Amino acid sequence: EAGVTQFPSHSVIEKGQTVTLRCDPISGHDNLYWYRRVMGKEIKFLLHFVKESKQDESGMPNNRFLAERTGGTYSTLKVQPAELEDSGVYFCASSLGLNTGELFFGEGSRLTVL
Amino acid sequence: AQSVAQPEDQVNVAEGNPLTVKCTYSVSGNPYLFWYVQYPNRGLQFLLKYITGDNLVKGSYGFEAEFNKSQTSFHLKKPSALVSDSALYFCAVRDSGYSTLTFGKGTMLLVSP
Repeated sequence: EAGVTQFPSHSVIEKGQTVTLRCDPISGHDNLYWYRRVMGKEIKFLLHFVKESKQDESGMPNNRFLAERTGGTYSTLKVQPAELEDSGVYFCASSLGLNTGELFFGEGSRLTVL
Repeated sequence: AQSVAQPEDQVNVAEGNPLTVKCTYSVSGNPYLFWYVQYPNRGLQFLLKYITGDNLVKGSYGFEAEFNKSQTSFHLKKPSALVSDSALYFCAVRDSGYSTLTFGKGTMLLVSP
């Protein structure tokens, strides 16, 4: 069974440019999460999808960030325009249920904004 | 609001010695507690969880954690460390009524030969 996959693994862009990160969850997992870790700090929650619906987007930093999950399968996270403080590692995770199940994480997409 | 504190940025231990990585938490309801490990250039891997029941939870790779409600702690332990245990460890918590995991900032474990 394939795990959670993320693309790209590393992206280097200049301030003001646009970047789109993609996450393919484990097949059949309705719950999909985006998290971000800035170097040396906590892994911060960004948002949670249940199928194609946004269940909780309270962690999204501002309106430069747009997440979608069309059809309830893969998800994209777009940052437009990117700022220096957006640099970090963006993790995607998925889970089958909400109650007690652990999250399965991808390897992360490292974003560097110059 | 829920929160997690990992007071140590780094823990150093010699191979063969016992190790402890500390975690304290704060939630308003009943806690669901997790430990994850991140090896270099890899995603987070689930180690173990406490939901209910026995306060001592056993997980992958010989790790265990003890839930202490009075001290609001969930320290990760292993009786005998291996060099291959060197990695970044994250504690996480969620309130039983919520779906979102809150993570600590991580503790780097370095096991020397």
